[in-house]
Amino acid sequence: GAVVSQHPSRVICKSGTSVKIECRSLDFQATTMFWYRQFPKQSLMLMATSNEGSKATYEQGVEKDKFLINHASLTLSTLTVTSAHPEDSSFYICSARLGAGKAFFGQGTRLTVV
Amino acid sequence: GENVEQHPSTLSVQEGDSAVIKCTYSDSASNYFPWYKQELGKRPQLIIDIRSNVGEKKDQRIAVTLNKTAKHFSLHITETQPEDSAVYFCAASGNNDMRFGAGTRLTVKP
Repeated sequence: GAVVSQHPSRVICKSGTSVKIECRSLDFQATTMFWYRQFPKQSLMLMATSNEGSKATYEQGVEKDKFLINHASLTLSTLTVTSAHPEDSSFYICSARLGAGKAFFGQGTRLTVV
Repeated sequence: GENVEQHPSTLSVQEGDSAVIKCTYSDSASNYFPWYKQELGKRPQLIIDIRSNVGEKKDQRIAVTLNKTAKHFSLHITETQPEDSAVYFCAASGNNDMRFGAGTRLTVKP
């Protein structure tokens, strides 16, 4: 149990376009989903916390208008990178929280902006 | 906000030896402390966790200890095996966040 699916796993987009990444909890209801960015051989940097039915809470320094997060249901959260630029190229990964404790990760999305 | 520090950044041990990774956190409101193992090219996998009302938890060769007063917690792996080689992350979580340490690259030499 506790499976989290993230799509797409890889995406290449042109500079100036937008990209949507989906994070789904397949076998449990996730009241909270976290979005992270991970640079090569580095840690998981929390970008925002997404709670179902309410606005996401963004970390300091993360532009909410650039990284749009929608948590429309208890099983789905989306991250849209708007007007992407090469510096947005990174590995984005979500986790879905089961109750008040355990969180399980999606497989991540490798975004390349050309 | 919460700040999690993790040490060491790299750790190399001989197969069969023990490995210890330490983390500290800053926010006294944090009440949940998971540990994740990330192998190259894969997603982080939850390996053990502990809540703030517990001082120690063990699962086979893995144990975690928590000192809430000092705001530090540790991961202990005994009888290490080559397949334990990976990057390990600690995290501290309150009600609406989960922040990670910088990670420890563990290498177990056969």
